Amino acid sequence: EVQLVESGGGLVQPGGSLRLSCAASGFIFSSYSMNWARQAPGKGLEWVSYISSSGSTIYYADSVKGRFTISRDNARNSLYLQMNSLRDEDTAVYYCARAGMRDWFDPWGQGTLVTVSS
Amino acid sequence: QSVLTQPPSVSGAPGQRVTISCTGSSSNIGAGYDVHWYQQLPGTAPKLLLYGNNNRPSGVPDRFSGSKSGTSASLAITGLQAEDEADYHCQSFDSSLSASVFGGGTKLTVL
Repeated sequence: EVQLVESGGGLVQPGGSLRLSCAASGFIFSSYSMNWARQAPGKGLEWVSYISSSGSTIYYADSVKGRFTISRDNARNSLYLQMNSLRDEDTAVYYCARAGMRDWFDPWGQGTLVTVSS
Repeated sequence: QSVLTQPPSVSGAPGQRVTISCTGSSSNIGAGYDVHWYQQLPGTAPKLLLYGNNNRPSGVPDRFSGSKSGTSASLAITGLQAEDEADYHCQSFDSSLSASVFGGGTKLTVL
């Protein structure tokens, strides 16, 4: 069964840092591009970042560019999101999702909640 | 403000047909990029419902269908059932942003 499990969320003060992890299983992780997306409380989905299967191509949403860093470890079947200089508006459930052939997201992990508050 | 525009809510009685629109622009849907749809049941993660405008992953009933024309796309649900009550999100790619973009989501209520 294809599965993605996020971890690392929690409460952090504005300006703080947090590192999210996504453990993949049930598929050949090194063959797939991956995404991070987020959903603020009561809001819609927002794409955050993309990384190609080898890690050589990376994209970020303008809202997180310069503050967040996506990375992956294919040997550990893991995806990461390093989040620095966190702001109140970064409060959201963060999901990792496998990228489909034409940019769809499937499957999604269960999500991890990040709360930025003083 | 989402790049793709969806109605905040729609509703229908059991057995009825409902549609959810997703309006974009010439840099995303109108540029020929595929539209994908996700179903998000209360308290759960999104799940891929339709990909490539009108393709159903294994396990998705044929009551769900999609269409695309110009700068817009639509999701149609026929034979509405109570279990269809959920949030529905559309997604595409935007060439001017070089980013995947989502709609704001539509809450479907089954009356």
